[in-house]
Amino acid sequence: DAMVIQNPRYQVTQFGKPVTLSCSQTLNHNVMYWYQQKSSQAPKLLFHYYDKDFNNEADTPDNFQSRRPNTSFCFLDIRSPGLGDAAMYLCATKTANTEAFFGQGTRLTVV
Amino acid sequence: GNSVTQMEGPVTLSEEAFLTINCTYTATGYPSLFWYVQYPGEGLQLLLKATKADDKGSNKGFEATYRKETTSFHLEKGSVQVSDSAVYFCALSLPSGYSTLTFGKGTMLLVSP
Repeated sequence: DAMVIQNPRYQVTQFGKPVTLSCSQTLNHNVMYWYQQKSSQAPKLLFHYYDKDFNNEADTPDNFQSRRPNTSFCFLDIRSPGLGDAAMYLCATKTANTEAFFGQGTRLTVV
Repeated sequence: GNSVTQMEGPVTLSEEAFLTINCTYTATGYPSLFWYVQYPGEGLQLLLKATKADDKGSNKGFEATYRKETTSFHLEKGSVQVSDSAVYFCALSLPSGYSTLTFGKGTMLLVSP
């Protein structure tokens, strides 16, 4: 039944070692979002895709990249994770007439 | 710009108590309003929504009414349960179909038996 699926649920990576988080959806929504959520804070939008059009938030660090090879999949790449990048990363999807649907999130730990 | 302000938590209640979590907003135009709930270690789940003034969203005993005159969307529940313990986020999005969500800071609710 899961409609927005994030893998893995928990990811541990080493300081400076590239890491990729993935998100897939079965809803065929044309918009996909990546949010970063630090402890006890609201989700912060990193970027989103409208179809293949990539929209980066102005304050998203260059260390964060994204790929969307097709409608169903979207990836978040962190090129050189720092301790400050430890957070929950949330993927969400939307279409024009619906609310946003969120995945379960990936908890990233940087050691 | 657009913004959402929620009451700070944690809100601590005993089971079967009445719950109110205040939410007010600032937006250009006429936004849609949402309450999302986040259980520990989980993603966000839509709890309820309202798309125009005077609409009432409801789900699982929770209710919120879109009040344009007071720019508010307060969340209420008549009798909370321990299982309602979670963080609640108020959010808005503008009418443009692909508008992104603007979240409040979240309010933690702790319900004790």
